[in-house]
Amino acid sequence: SQQGEEDPQALSIQEGENATMNCSYKTSINNLQWYRQNSGRGLVHLILIRSNEREKHSGRLRVTLDTSKKSSSLLITASRAADTASYFCAMPIQGAQKLVFGQGTRLTINP
Amino acid sequence: GAVVSQHPSWVICKSGTSVKIECRSLDFQATTMFWYRQFPKQSLMLMATSNEGSKATYEQGVEKDKFLINHASLTLSTLTVTSAHPEDSSFYICSAPGLAGRGTLSQYFGPGTRLTVL
Repeated sequence: SQQGEEDPQALSIQEGENATMNCSYKTSINNLQWYRQNSGRGLVHLILIRSNEREKHSGRLRVTLDTSKKSSSLLITASRAADTASYFCAMPIQGAQKLVFGQGTRLTINP
Repeated sequence: GAVVSQHPSWVICKSGTSVKIECRSLDFQATTMFWYRQFPKQSLMLMATSNEGSKATYEQGVEKDKFLINHASLTLSTLTVTSAHPEDSSFYICSAPGLAGRGTLSQYFGPGTRLTVL
């Protein structure tokens, strides 16, 4: 089944630095979504980018999508300690609403 | 925004017992809900699609007799882990599609249920 591959698997940076996470996928998609998950908690939807969009911003988040390379990136600028979490990309499969998730990136922001 | 709740938030049970987890859409109706399982430090894996008024659709490798799903109303889906064993210990998360801004559909996730089987 299609699953997004994310890299890096873990990322540790200093507060204030930018964090970039990448997601690659295998087949055509209608959209790609990014979620955040704090340890042991539920998912928080961050941003959705459609297949006809190349870049999208939301606050300190910037998401890009390159459908020719089947990849997306999530950039968090001016990171804060509260950004420490796992980040997942997710894609709807077979045109349906069910999502397939990437393996996730564990982001740690050091104060 | 739309809210999805799960109950219980955590449960500990003995091996061999059955555990029921509820997923509710609080302020919207959901004819479809999804159940995911997440092992520690791993990603979410889709288990099944819960369909109101009909049988659930299970992903490959998920035992339907082990994980019973009932979607009895437009706001409630239940997942019952039957004869639970320690390897069933996991974080179970449900989601439901609902309308977001500008008429778009979005997935709303429950807070998850942590199951520990002793």
